[in-house]
Amino acid sequence: QLQLVQSAAEVKNPGSSVKVSCKASGDSFGTHTIAWVRQAPGQSLEWMGGVIPFFGTTNYAQNFQDRLSISADKSTNTASMELRSLKSDDTAIYYCARETLTSATTSAFDIWGQGTMVTVSS
Amino acid sequence: SYVLTQPPSVSVAPGQTATISCGGNNIGSKSVHWYQQKPGQAPVLIVYDNSDRASGIPERISGSNSGNTATLTISGVEAGDEADYHCQVWDTPNDPLFVFGSGTKITV
Repeated sequence: QLQLVQSAAEVKNPGSSVKVSCKASGDSFGTHTIAWVRQAPGQSLEWMGGVIPFFGTTNYAQNFQDRLSISADKSTNTASMELRSLKSDDTAIYYCARETLTSATTSAFDIWGQGTMVTVSS
Repeated sequence: SYVLTQPPSVSVAPGQTATISCGGNNIGSKSVHWYQQKPGQAPVLIVYDNSDRASGIPERISGSNSGNTATLTISGVEAGDEADYHCQVWDTPNDPLFVFGSGTKITV
């Protein structure tokens, strides 16, 4: 059974970058997309983008297009998310999640990592 | 971008039925997924494609979707159902591709 194991919490200064990793355990990513979703304190969930590790293709939400990079290493079954030019309102829990087609017209996130807390503060 | 609206909170007595709405423009034409999130934990998919239960989810949890409102219903509510519940749709080809509702906290 696939588990997604994320890297440890980070504290960053405004203007810097953070990289969070997500490693597959118990199985590989296969041809699934691995998405990144964040949750600011007391807020709901926000989709940021995703990568298909098998093909290396990515897509991003326009909100993050300019400062987000998502990548994957098939050899280590690890996906990563790097967010640049951090601001205080980037403080959030960042989750990776496996995207699965549930029908011909939609996808859901059926497996989630445990989350990585990123705090942006001077 | 597409907007999903949920009530911030729902309070229900043990054994009663909790109903959570998720409003969106013509949401009945989309497939809606629901996630349960307990404090300090990652979300868990509980209902997908409007009404299909994920593996291990009891039959007392059900979903429906029509018109401008999708609904998650939890019958025979238990203390362990206390959590935040989020609805989600896939809004291709628009941006963002995936949209989540504002979340509803169920208090038992």
